Amino acid sequence: DTEVTQTPKHLVMGMTNKKSLKCEQHMGHRAMYWYKQKAKKPPELMFVYSYEKLSINESVPSRFSPECPNSSLLNLHLHALQPEDSALYLCASSLVGGLGDTQYFGPGTRLTVL
Amino acid sequence: RKEVEQDPGPFNVPEGATVAFNCTYSNSASQSFFWYRQDCRKEPKLLMSVYSSGNEDGRFTAQLNRASQYISLLIRDSKLSDSATYLCVVRNTGFQKLVFGTGTRLLVSP
Repeated sequence: DTEVTQTPKHLVMGMTNKKSLKCEQHMGHRAMYWYKQKAKKPPELMFVYSYEKLSINESVPSRFSPECPNSSLLNLHLHALQPEDSALYLCASSLVGGLGDTQYFGPGTRLTVL
Repeated sequence: RKEVEQDPGPFNVPEGATVAFNCTYSNSASQSFFWYRQDCRKEPKLLMSVYSSGNEDGRFTAQLNRASQYISLLIRDSKLSDSATYLCVVRNTGFQKLVFGTGTRLLVSP
């Protein structure tokens, strides 16, 4: 079963709110990823966790804060976002983050910042 | 110059047609190659990995030309359900980061 789940599916928040996005996989994957995708653009990598440690941060603003509580879970904490942060946020996972790895994507959270 | 380049399309084809997409990449150290499919407002889904020897999965054939640094995807006998955006994806040696092309939009009409 190649399934990555994400909650919530949709989220509307104000610029002063704090919210969290959640991602879960039970495939035994040890690498997990957050991507941001704007309309008609490809996904852009934000963060990579490998064996529960942050291995890549693509210079993402600090208003986005990732967390990997265990090997199956990945969170993205949101605070003081801007309207331009409205996008589809995709979580992905892969076996170990190696060369031949396949990344499997969750259905995404569609975020609107008012 | 973008690291992975694709013709954005759209490619409009009738059902049953054969259609081919190309993608070029600029980093000669790139090691892993993939085609993903993305339906409107959905997540990308792996269509196939691409190997130097070429590979086929049903109606879909992918080829890799390392010398010319391009990847191709051929779809035979197009179905209405093939309408989607096809993303060319590359991974470079030693990195966990996937580099996505902007995608090629395919519209298959009855």
